[in-house]
Order: sequence, then structure tokens, then C-alpha cells
Amino acid sequence: QKEVEQNSGPLSVPEGAIASLNCTYSDRVSQSFFWYRQYSGKSPELIMSIYSNGDKEDGRFTAQLNKASQYVSLLIRDSQPSDSATYLCAVRGNTPLVFGKGTRLSVIA
Amino acid sequence: KAGVTQTPRYLIKTRGQQVTLSCSPISGHRSVSWYQQTPGQGLQFLFEYFSETQRNKGNFPGRFSGRQFSNSRSEMNVSTLELGDSALYLCASSLVPAGAGETQYFGPGTRLLVL
Repeated sequence: QKEVEQNSGPLSVPEGAIASLNCTYSDRVSQSFFWYRQYSGKSPELIMSIYSNGDKEDGRFTAQLNKASQYVSLLIRDSQPSDSATYLCAVRGNTPLVFGKGTRLSVIA
Repeated sequence: KAGVTQTPRYLIKTRGQQVTLSCSPISGHRSVSWYQQTPGQGLQFLFEYFSETQRNKGNFPGRFSGRQFSNSRSEMNVSTLELGDSALYLCASSLVPAGAGETQYFGPGTRLLVL
């Protein structure tokens, strides 16, 4: 059973702070890693994808991947109230995309 | 470029009925995947289609079925509905079967309520 684990939260951070979201996965052959944001009542929206060890930055978002530790994280700098949502980690290897249950982020103004 | 579209957006059915949901992928995308999202189980993979062929199937009973047409549009069908089938059903498309480096884009979903 391939699993993707996330802390369900809620993770509360003050506006302007850095939010750190973490995800671990069980399948060592996983090759593709994604972070989706889902607002309440809406569908998931792709934020970042990462395929190689290290950091990948896109605006206020940084994804970090450590395949040896089977760990992927998402950092959100200068957090805004509009970042309040559930963040889903998704992992893909030779099987269809497996999602974690998501971490609920709340950015307090 | 238009995104993934799903119809209908909302649906209310009663137990024992069947339902058909439709998904039109992004223009040029040939792969369509379906997911079920519930508060308790999160997002769970149903099936994936590419070039009218089912490539992968998740761990769901045979009441859940799907197909893909030559224009890449896809439908999923749930027969003999149960209360537990109430969920948000999401369709995602990608250029080719999702693999290393291939990104899926989600549609708005169909919210199904079974009474």
C-alpha cells in the first residue's frame, strides 16, 4: 500500500511569516512530486512540481525534495490570508498519483 | 486555452439509482483520470484513460466504471448508488498518461449527493 502522509493541521501562522508544510511517502520508486492547493468547495490547483533532490523556487513558494529521506516539503514565504487553504501533497512513481489527505493552513491577519 | 470541464456540477440521486458524469479534458490532452474525494478518505484514484483504453484502475468496486471517447472526452458511471458514494468526483487531464514529469490539471468537480 503506497502511502503519502501529511499532518492534517490546522497549521496557523501569522501574516508575513513562513509556513512550512511537510509530506512523507512510502514508495521509494516515486519520481514525481506535486503540491496542490485546494480552497474549500473548490478543486485542487497545482502550485509546484518537483522531480529532483534539492530546492525549487517559484515566487513565494519553495518546494524541497529529499528522496533518501522520502520527504518533500513546501515553504510559503510572506504568508497571506489568501494562502489559507488545504495543501495536498501528491506522489507518482510507476502507479497513478497518490495523494495525502492534506494540511489545512490558516494565515492569521 | 479552456480548462478541464465537468458536467453536471451538482447532482442529487437516491440509493439504487445510477449516475453518469462527464469530463472534457484540456484541448490536446489525451489522458483523463478520475478521483473521488471525501472528507474521511481524501482524494482517491478511480481510473485513468488514454486513447480510449483504461490504463489503471483504483481499488473501487465494479459499480464504478468509465470510458473514454475518440475525442478524449470521458465519462464515469456509478450504478446502484449507495449513501457512501456521496462525494466530490474530480476529473484531471494531462497530455499523455501521467508519469514522471507529467502534470495533471483538475476540473471543477461534480458534487454528488446520494439520499
